[in-house]
Amino acid sequence: DTEVTQTPKHLVMGMTNKKSLKCEQHMGHRAMYWYKQKAKKPPELMFVYSYEKLSINESVPSRFSPECPNSSLLNLHLHALQPEDSALYLCASSHRTGSNYGYTFGSGTRLTVV
Amino acid sequence: EDQVTQSPEALRLQEGESSSLNCSYTVSGLRGLFWYRQDPGKGPEFLFTLYSAGEEKEKERLKATLTKKESFLHITAPKPEDSATYLCAVQAFRGGATNKLIFGTGTLLAVQP
Repeated sequence: DTEVTQTPKHLVMGMTNKKSLKCEQHMGHRAMYWYKQKAKKPPELMFVYSYEKLSINESVPSRFSPECPNSSLLNLHLHALQPEDSALYLCASSHRTGSNYGYTFGSGTRLTVV
Repeated sequence: EDQVTQSPEALRLQEGESSSLNCSYTVSGLRGLFWYRQDPGKGPEFLFTLYSAGEEKEKERLKATLTKKESFLHITAPKPEDSATYLCAVQAFRGGATNKLIFGTGTLLAVQP
């Protein structure tokens, strides 16, 4: 299995809703990442998990809450989002954060906040 | 400050018309330079990693090269299915075992039949 699987593919949520994005990989990668991508912009790093521990938080607002329950799963919990948070949310994994190997990205979750 | 700049922003080619995309970078502690292809609404698809100046890698119609300040993605005899956004990213050493992938803004390539 050489894929990163993200669910759901599309999500529409109100500003008072609570929802979660899920990411799964079975490549034995020990580093996992959340990126946010706005239209016609490059991906922007949000969080890095290394061996299930949060190692980088790029000053992301607290309405985004990451969780890494085990080495294969990564969640992003969403609460009280704003319309400007609408974007493509990408999950990625790599052997480890110090690795020079390519990062494998999922297909993303298209999030719309109404 | 670490920076990755890609040019041109957009490129329109005729099928079979070869060209090159540029990625210039300024980063301290370069660990690797990556090229990705991204189709609309999809995640980036890994193409190449380059580690040191002078290195070259090829895959079908694509060839990536690296110097100390920039990388080129050469596209030979492109086909319409090569149409996509091509992203360059550099991995910068940030102490310990923590590295950070920094993306350029991408080049949107359109290949017309």
